[in-house]
Amino acid sequence: DQQVKQNSPSLSVQEGRISILNCDYTNSMFDYFLWYKKYPAEGPTFLISISSIKDKNEDGRFTVFLNKSAKHLSLHIVPSQPGDSAVYFCAACNSGTYKYIFGTGTRLKVLA
Amino acid sequence: EADIYQTPRYLVIGTGKKITLECSQTMGHDKMYWYQQDPGMELHLIHYSYGVNSTEKGDLSSESTVSRIRTEHFPLTLESARPSHTSQYLCASSGASGIAGELFFGEGSRLTVL
Repeated sequence: DQQVKQNSPSLSVQEGRISILNCDYTNSMFDYFLWYKKYPAEGPTFLISISSIKDKNEDGRFTVFLNKSAKHLSLHIVPSQPGDSAVYFCAACNSGTYKYIFGTGTRLKVLA
Repeated sequence: EADIYQTPRYLVIGTGKKITLECSQTMGHDKMYWYQQDPGMELHLIHYSYGVNSTEKGDLSSESTVSRIRTEHFPLTLESARPSHTSQYLCASSGASGIAGELFFGEGSRLTVL
């Protein structure tokens, strides 16, 4: 049973526009959520995170929104840049077990 | 910049060979993890450790084994490699206590078993 799901395998966005990546989870015990960016043959790079006590966290062009009742989080990138093209993974963690569970990823392509 | 290192970055070996993927971190983190990722797929947790002499199996069954004799070192071993072990292996660490925090990743080890 997949606890963290990213239902859109790919997304194309025009440069300068907003990119919205979505993630759903099933385990209500998750209390910390993260977004990573990954290029092929490299390790994931941390982008932004959010604790379950918040519903929004912002860092520069990146904003993460958390809707606990819907068990849904999203990553907004604005404005999108060609260098943002990569695979984006969401991850969820329970602070009791410290097990980080990842979604299947969404490949973002930002068109110049 | 994260100080977590994996060697080798790339390895091509024949079936039946024993291999060890090395992972070291200099941040003093107590928690360390191994993930396996096939192309286009999610990262599967295969092993994790809460500290020295602690090892746990992850959600994806794996024929590999791990050890945690020193805080900074978390090697992964395959006693007899098979083509089905071909994958990218990612090591990570976290120093969070209380609420969870950022997971730091190494560059990964790409294993190909012929």
